Amino acid sequence: DTAVSQTPKYLVTQMGNDKSIKCEQNLGHDTMYWYKQDSKKFLKIMFSYNNKELIINETVPNRFSPKSPDKAHLNLHINSLELGDSAVYFCASSQVGGLNTEAFFGQGTRLTVV
Amino acid sequence: GENVEQHPSTLSVQEGDSAVIKCTYSDSASNYFPWYKQELGKRPQLIIDIRSNVGEKKDQRIAVTLNKTAKHFSLHITETQPEDSAVYFCAAGGGYNKLIFGAGTRLAVHP
Repeated sequence: DTAVSQTPKYLVTQMGNDKSIKCEQNLGHDTMYWYKQDSKKFLKIMFSYNNKELIINETVPNRFSPKSPDKAHLNLHINSLELGDSAVYFCASSQVGGLNTEAFFGQGTRLTVV
Repeated sequence: GENVEQHPSTLSVQEGDSAVIKCTYSDSASNYFPWYKQELGKRPQLIIDIRSNVGEKKDQRIAVTLNKTAKHFSLHITETQPEDSAVYFCAAGGGYNKLIFGAGTRLAVHP
């Protein structure tokens, strides 16, 4: 069973469109994340949710809106897509409770804005 | 702000040699230091991690050292093999496991 799964794996869309990426984890973790990896391979945290509550928001444009319907899901909606949004977006989850633990990553969604 | 510096950005070694990657972090509140390996087109996967109450940890050919005073931590891979070729990321974690990643090191192991 895939621990952290995100869909779609590839997404090609035109500037100005709105798109969503879905993420689900079956590890029972209480914390989920979105990371962005640009063309230079920099991995940067965007958001983190703990038990459906937003706890980290790293100065991401408000065109990006995460939504967590339950603690096993964290979706990412992006409005008015721009060329600079092209990147690989990784969802991740971990169990945070006193001690930090391994973050498990999804397979990534390669977003290309044309 | 929070920052993790990672060096070198690229590393080329012969099979059987050792490889060392070094990182420096800025946030003294960081207490968790994982290392991730990312193969081409794949997800980052944890290879080893260390907590701030430990100075060194080893797992077969991989070891990590942490110097909290200097805010340095390093990854050591011994007896490198071609399948070790990948991009390696260090990270520093604090509250709610917010991971700040280094810029990555592209390791190439030549047969």
